[in-house]
Amino acid sequence: GAGVSQSPRYKVAKRGQDVALRCDPISGHVSLFWYQQALGQGPEFLTYFQNEAQLDKSGLPSDRFFAERPEGSVSTLKIQRTQQEDSAVYLCASSTERQGAPPYEQYFGPGTRLTVT
Amino acid sequence: QQPVQSPQAVILREGEDAVINCSSSKALYSVHWYRQKHGEAPVFLMILLKGGEQKGHEKISASFNEKKQQSSLYLTASQLSYSGTYFCGTEYHYGQNFVFGPGTRLSVLP
Repeated sequence: GAGVSQSPRYKVAKRGQDVALRCDPISGHVSLFWYQQALGQGPEFLTYFQNEAQLDKSGLPSDRFFAERPEGSVSTLKIQRTQQEDSAVYLCASSTERQGAPPYEQYFGPGTRLTVT
Repeated sequence: QQPVQSPQAVILREGEDAVINCSSSKALYSVHWYRQKHGEAPVFLMILLKGGEQKGHEKISASFNEKKQQSSLYLTASQLSYSGTYFCGTEYHYGQNFVFGPGTRLSVLP
């Protein structure tokens, strides 16, 4: 594929609804990251996968947030019972290298803009 | 712990130079620089490692000062296409997920 793709690009949810955001990384990329970016801020780390293993989920803000990558390629970030403070752009990034290898370049997707009303 | 970026915003005329700084109160292992245009994904510019030399990318280069725990991004003879928000991402330990700074908004005017 050409790059990292994310869907949907825009999502409006009513407070309390569940949402699922999809990330298609670059084919063959081992590492996959999710970030949350509030308006006018830098991306904030949420979670990291190496293949299908979720190695770090320390950035997930609450137990309403859940991410999976069952086959080591496509990943889904799920937010249950959405709240207004969840409104943000959710970015996915992938990389060829394993975490712990020499520093690596991350390729970002265009993001999903989530608005909770 | 989020790194500090300065300035928060800068406006340039085409052809002028700019420096963007990223500093940390903690020892850094590496610094990554990305540029993000409005509504688009961040795009990788370069990575600097502790102990590494200055890196360059066309008219954009960067340095890493270990003593000051600071990295500087140098934009020379700026072009309109340089406009966007520049983020540094800092890695405090080998293999640790990095933390992005709040960004520096750069506007290049004709």
